[in-house]
Amino acid sequence: AQSVTQLGSHVSVSEGALVLLRCNYSSSVPPYLFWYVQYPNQGLQLLLKYTTGATLVKGINGFEAEFKKSETSFHLTKPSAHMSDAAEYFCAVRRSGGYQKVTFGTGTKLQVIP
Amino acid sequence: NAGVTQTPKFRILKIGQSMTLQCTQDMNHNYMYWYRQDPGMGLKLIYYSVGAGITDKGEVPNGYNVSRSTTEDFPLRLELAAPSQTSVYFCASSYSVSGVRGETQYFGPGTRLLVL
Repeated sequence: AQSVTQLGSHVSVSEGALVLLRCNYSSSVPPYLFWYVQYPNQGLQLLLKYTTGATLVKGINGFEAEFKKSETSFHLTKPSAHMSDAAEYFCAVRRSGGYQKVTFGTGTKLQVIP
Repeated sequence: NAGVTQTPKFRILKIGQSMTLQCTQDMNHNYMYWYRQDPGMGLKLIYYSVGAGITDKGEVPNGYNVSRSTTEDFPLRLELAAPSQTSVYFCASSYSVSGVRGETQYFGPGTRLLVL
């Protein structure tokens, strides 16, 4: 079984401040991990993903995430928030090996305050 | 490429009515998926398909049916609409083959369905 927990359904940051969105996962085998972003009235689009190799993953729009196996975490960060970052962010996990379905977290809405 | 397209964008149904949500992708992806998104619940997989003619149930298949006669199209059918099916429905596709790690899913813009 696999699951994802996103801590905080709503996060507010000031423009220019650090963005930190938390994600913890559980998986019985090495996982693939994803962050997707959803802008209002749109579908989800991939921000970044971890499969194997380097544990610090860089994505689009200045976001990055670090896979920490010992902490079963994959937190998303951005050094300086921009107004355009306001959106809902979903962490997702998929077990490695063959086809496995993706399990999505419940999402975190990011508000950026000017 | 248009990517993943969905029609309609919005629909109101009466209880007991039926409808088909259309989904088309032009990326030659073999895998396609239907999700529903409810506030605070994330995305739940309804059905998925690994290729034309092959479909399988996801987490929440009850009340829905799918078919996949071509690579491009993956319609979702609601036979007897119920208020519990009020949701936003997303279609997605991905290219998955043996050896590919962590394939990206590409999402359509969604269909907002209200059942009254």
